[in-house]
Amino acid sequence: NAGVTQTPKFQVLKTGQSMTLQCAQDMNHEYMSWYRQDPGMGLRLIHYSVGAGITDQGEVPNGYNVSRSTTEDFPLRLLSAAPSQTSVYFCASRMGESQPQHFGDGTRLSIL
Amino acid sequence: AQSVTQLDSHVSVSEGTPVLLRCNYSSSYSPSLFWYVQHPNKGLQLLLKYTSAATLVKGINGFEAEFKKSETSFHLTKPSAHMSDAAEYFCVVSVTGGGNKLTFGTGTQLKVEL
Repeated sequence: NAGVTQTPKFQVLKTGQSMTLQCAQDMNHEYMSWYRQDPGMGLRLIHYSVGAGITDQGEVPNGYNVSRSTTEDFPLRLLSAAPSQTSVYFCASRMGESQPQHFGDGTRLSIL
Repeated sequence: AQSVTQLDSHVSVSEGTPVLLRCNYSSSYSPSLFWYVQHPNKGLQLLLKYTSAATLVKGINGFEAEFKKSETSFHLTKPSAHMSDAAEYFCVVSVTGGGNKLTFGTGTQLKVEL
């Protein structure tokens, strides 16, 4: 059972570079989300989707873009990396509103 | 609007003693509540969930939580701590009609000592 798969697991970028964090799930979940985790702040929602073709902003969307062309995939794009975006990023999916989230193992991103 | 407050950022217990991790929530509608555990350098794993059925919810690894509407609390307990329970624990709230927005607490770091 693959569940939620995130790639890469680690990445180092220079300020101003762009990149895409990949997220794929094989559970046919409609709901997908991206979070960032910073020490002492829990998980904060960046963007989310309730189905293919539908995305919306979360709590901290600035500097990030998402798209949802298929049910399975939900990539997160950093447009111009900044040191403040150094964090651990988690992708998650779930079946519906009252259902628990399934998390990937995270991507550890450092911006120099 | 919804919010979650985890009342302790760090909890330390001795192995074999009870664990209590406290969580209070605020929600305008009937909430779904979850507890997740995160071991170092790992993703989050679901421990248990409350979705308006029984107020006492049993989860994995001997954990349980009780939903108390009058106190707006959802505290996590375990009768006897094990060394492997050392991890960070997150209380999470989701509301019907809230779309795909979940709100996470800031986490409680559980330390288990011999």
